[in-house]
Amino acid sequence: QQQVKQSPQSLIVQKGGIPIINCAYENTAFDYFPWYQQFPGKGPALLIAIRPDVSEKKEGRFTISFNKSAKQFSLHIMDSQPGDSATYFCAARNQGGKLIFGQGTELSVKP
Amino acid sequence: DAMVIQNPRYQVTQFGKPVTLSCSQTLNHNVMYWYQQKSSQAPKLLFHYYDKDFNNEADTPDNFQSRRPNTSFCFLDIRSPGLGDAAMYLCATSRESSRRTDTQYFGPGTRLTVL
Repeated sequence: QQQVKQSPQSLIVQKGGIPIINCAYENTAFDYFPWYQQFPGKGPALLIAIRPDVSEKKEGRFTISFNKSAKQFSLHIMDSQPGDSATYFCAARNQGGKLIFGQGTELSVKP
Repeated sequence: DAMVIQNPRYQVTQFGKPVTLSCSQTLNHNVMYWYQQKSSQAPKLLFHYYDKDFNNEADTPDNFQSRRPNTSFCFLDIRSPGLGDAAMYLCATSRESSRRTDTQYFGPGTRLTVL
């Protein structure tokens, strides 16, 4: 019930492609869904976040799509660039404020 | 501009030799968290402070302790580091733990090596 399942584990796209990373959850009490971007040797940085009463949120090239009935959400990166190569973590916040992280997706954008 | 600061960025210690990692924040946030992250894994919450109230995760080993002397600073003490404790240690802060749109902000991490 407290798990967040993330896929794929790794992803390779060409520059300009649109990588899509998917997450699924079971606990309907989760109330906040952030995505973090992490470069090697650095801490995770908040990329974009969504609440469950919103179906889509866009910030620059990054879009979250949220399907409340299916308990799934996904990250889309438009016009991906080599500088987007990083590990991406989805997360869900439970009622106690704890973040439950997905397993992470290692994205590589080839020039 | 740094909001969550961790020192040192790299720490090397010997097996069994106590080590302390520090975190400071300029955000005046109520909550401070310590996470352990091993290679290719998600961050794992060790414990957090809500103000001065300490909250330990059930599976955090007794070897890990924490102190928060004031709002701005929080320390992670590893009493007897083992080889399995080599990891990135991340500090994070949030304004409160239950506000709907609250966000956790992470520091750059301290990479701990145990020889």
